[in-house]
Amino acid sequence: ETGVTQSPTHLIKTRGQQVTLRCSSQSGHNTVSWYQQALGQGPQFIFQYYREEENGRGNFPPRFSGLQFPNYSSELNVNALELDDSALYLCASSLPGGASTEAFFGQGTRLTVV
Amino acid sequence: RKEVEQDPGPFNVPEGATVAFNCTYSNSASQSFFWYRQDCRKEPKLLMSVYSSGNEDGRFTAQLNRASQYISLLIRDSKLSDSATYLCVVNGWGRDDKIIFGKGTRLHILP
Repeated sequence: ETGVTQSPTHLIKTRGQQVTLRCSSQSGHNTVSWYQQALGQGPQFIFQYYREEENGRGNFPPRFSGLQFPNYSSELNVNALELDDSALYLCASSLPGGASTEAFFGQGTRLTVV
Repeated sequence: RKEVEQDPGPFNVPEGATVAFNCTYSNSASQSFFWYRQDCRKEPKLLMSVYSSGNEDGRFTAQLNRASQYISLLIRDSKLSDSATYLCVVNGWGRDDKIIFGKGTRLHILP
């Protein structure tokens, strides 16, 4: 397997609630990226963390925030959940840049907002 | 222009046929290119990296054309198990660049 694990695997929340998704990256990979994948779409880049600092952000509102910890784990927090936030959330760990920067994905957290 | 564009398909191809996908990217500074495969309701998994000189892995061949800013994936002698969504992935250089996915091309291999 990839060495990247996410929790929980499935989650149901109510509109307006807050959620925290967790990711344990592959050891030694100091870059973690989070993606949102709606049904039938490709993964959309949310943000990237490098050495515990946000290092790039996609077109997502501020209610999407994150943290990265020294032990290669990270979190995605979403406040004020909306129905459209229902999606598969993927984290991927990688080395920064380089000619062979493969992203290793976790199995994802499927979030349903009702 | 979108950062990474793919034909969403679906491509419906008979078993044993050859099929090819293209993907275009907008950032000429992009350095790394990959094809990922994603099965229904699963996470994406690396299929192959794409090198400047082109590369082959069994029935799969990947090509990069920097001048025209596209990459391609060729699948020969397609199998039923090749049915999946194929995601084109482009990565920049250095820690400030990010990995961008295309929306994927759906492939259905027909028996």
